[in-house]
Amino acid sequence: GENVEQHPSTLSVQEGDSAVIKCTYSDSASNYFPWYKQELGKRPQLIIDIRSNVGEKKDQRIAVTLNKTAKHFSLHITETQPEDSAVYFCAASRDTGFQKLVFGTGTRLLVSP
Amino acid sequence: DGGITQSPKYLFRKEGQNVTLSCEQNLNHDAMYWYRQDPGQGLRLIYYSQIVNDFQKGDIAEGYSVSREKKESFPLTVTSAQKNPTAFYLCATRTSGSSYEQYFGPGTRLTVT
Repeated sequence: GENVEQHPSTLSVQEGDSAVIKCTYSDSASNYFPWYKQELGKRPQLIIDIRSNVGEKKDQRIAVTLNKTAKHFSLHITETQPEDSAVYFCAASRDTGFQKLVFGTGTRLLVSP
Repeated sequence: DGGITQSPKYLFRKEGQNVTLSCEQNLNHDAMYWYRQDPGQGLRLIYYSQIVNDFQKGDIAEGYSVSREKKESFPLTVTSAQKNPTAFYLCATRTSGSSYEQYFGPGTRLTVT
């Protein structure tokens, strides 16, 4: 089955710096890759996703890149702000009627003022 | 934050007791999911349901049971057979349309002593 590895497990940056979180997946048939943000004690919320027919997607300060050949995808956050502090999860799934998301183990991002 | 409700937010039980976690949605979504979240780990799929009266085991179904008698409701029972039931439980839904996004409920933190 699918396995998703996520690195780093923790990431500390100064406000205004960029942050990059990387994930690798094992199932070459996976073609949907979402990123979720989870603040302490709250529900995960989708922040950006990408499908395998594109290599990059951007939404304001957040971007995701996908390398299908290498089977890895990354989340890039530019101009980080303290409110970006949270746990970020990547996930992968196949394009099927039932969408089984396999999640990475999460990255705790701390943005210091 | 409406759409998916989980109750209660915190639940305490003695070892050996079964407990049922509630998940209700008013999004008219067909698919519903139950995930378990442990510290330092990603979300792991317990059970999922694509339509009423149908559900399938996920990756960690042992010690859990579900029902899907109504489209709006997908309760999860944590039985005494679950060896480590203390965790944060998240319910999610997804529409059957072209959107791939899974929407999460606020979660129930279960503590078994």
